Amino acid sequence: EVQLVESGGGLVKPGGSLRLSCAGSGFSFSSFSMNWVRQAPGKGLEWVASISAASVYINYADSVKGRFTISRDNDKKSLFLQMNSLRADDMAVYYCAREGSGYLRRLDYWGQGTLVAVSS
Amino acid sequence: DIQLTQSPSVLSASVGDRVTITCRASQGISTSLAWYQQRPGKAPKLLIYAASTLQSGVPSRFGGSGSGTEFTLTVNSLQPEDFATYYCQHLNDYPLTFGQGTRLEIK
Repeated sequence: EVQLVESGGGLVKPGGSLRLSCAGSGFSFSSFSMNWVRQAPGKGLEWVASISAASVYINYADSVKGRFTISRDNDKKSLFLQMNSLRADDMAVYYCAREGSGYLRRLDYWGQGTLVAVSS
Repeated sequence: DIQLTQSPSVLSASVGDRVTITCRASQGISTSLAWYQQRPGKAPKLLIYAASTLQSGVPSRFGGSGSGTEFTLTVNSLQPEDFATYYCQHLNDYPLTFGQGTRLEIK
């Protein structure tokens, strides 16, 4: 069974940093691109960042470019999101999501999410 | 960036109804579109990808169609568990944007 489990969320002050993790199991983690998607309270979904299987291709939403860094450790089957210079509008539930294999792109498995709160 | 506009934003329907949600892209994306269902407090769940391919395990009452700039998600014979929020997402290129969502509520 494919499982994605996020951790690392919490309360942080504006300007602070936080590192999110996502542990994958039940599939060949090193073969899949991975994504972070967030959802502010009461709002819709916002794609944040993507990383290819071997970390060759990395993309970010403009809203986080230069502040967030996506990375992965395939040996540890883990995905990360380093978040710096956090702002109030970064407050959200952050989901990690696997991109399905093949040329028909989709986010086929999602974790349960981890909440990031930004407040002084 | 490609913008996705869903309509309606809120849809009221009854159990057993057939409903359709539309997603329009600001430029052509071929069939690189997915639909997700999100229940309150839960993670999104993939329903449809490549505009019309049903994800494994998703009931056949869900269907998708369209290409280019206009796409639809149809749910036949609504069940109580279908009342949720639905999002479209394009995966044509980066950034991978989502529509603003359609909340399907019980009439």
